[in-house]
Amino acid sequence: NAGVTQTPKFRILKIGQSMTLQCAQDMNHNYMYWYRQDPGMGLKLIYYSVGAGITDKGEVPNGYNVSRSTTEDFPLRLELAAPSQTSVYFCASSNPRGGNTYEQYFGPGTRLTVT
Amino acid sequence: LAKTTQPISMDSYEGQEVNITCSHNNIATNDYITWYQQFPSQGPRFIIQGYKTKVTNEVASLFIPADRKSSTLSLPRVSLSDTAVYYCLVAALKAAGNKLTFGGGTRVLVKP
Repeated sequence: NAGVTQTPKFRILKIGQSMTLQCAQDMNHNYMYWYRQDPGMGLKLIYYSVGAGITDKGEVPNGYNVSRSTTEDFPLRLELAAPSQTSVYFCASSNPRGGNTYEQYFGPGTRLTVT
Repeated sequence: LAKTTQPISMDSYEGQEVNITCSHNNIATNDYITWYQQFPSQGPRFIIQGYKTKVTNEVASLFIPADRKSSTLSLPRVSLSDTAVYYCLVAALKAAGNKLTFGGGTRVLVKP
């Protein structure tokens, strides 16, 4: 299993541009999450999904959109990028019907800079 | 979601035991206590989870007193590779989405 994969690893955007951060997992997990982590800070939840076709807002959803058309994929869309969105973005997944309810598996992250 | 408070940083030396205490005064009946580890430029990694008393696995122990208002993560005989940020989280059992709230974490530096 590759686990949780994210692309790209790095990206520089100009203000006002848009992009999609890709996330995929091959563990057949129902739950998927997007977090952002600013330098020296903890992670903040942007959006999450409890299954294909179901998404919900987290703590900091403004400026982002998500979709979940399949169990495996959970892309994060940034529209009209702003410098405040400069951060490291982590995707995670979990399987609440598995052995450990709260273990989330994280991807390697995407480092995004908006200038 | 219960708020957690933990020290900002701790220093230790190789071979020592590191204990990180987390306060969660308003923990709810259905909340579990979970600890994650994060190395620089990586996503967090699950370490251990517990509800009450003591839990031990191959990498750490988790001590939870009867009132559950705090918990202590114990890392035995740390090595340089244990230098990381450690996050204490509480999350409700079977809450919708199993959402986790990460605080600032404790930055542990292991010195030779």
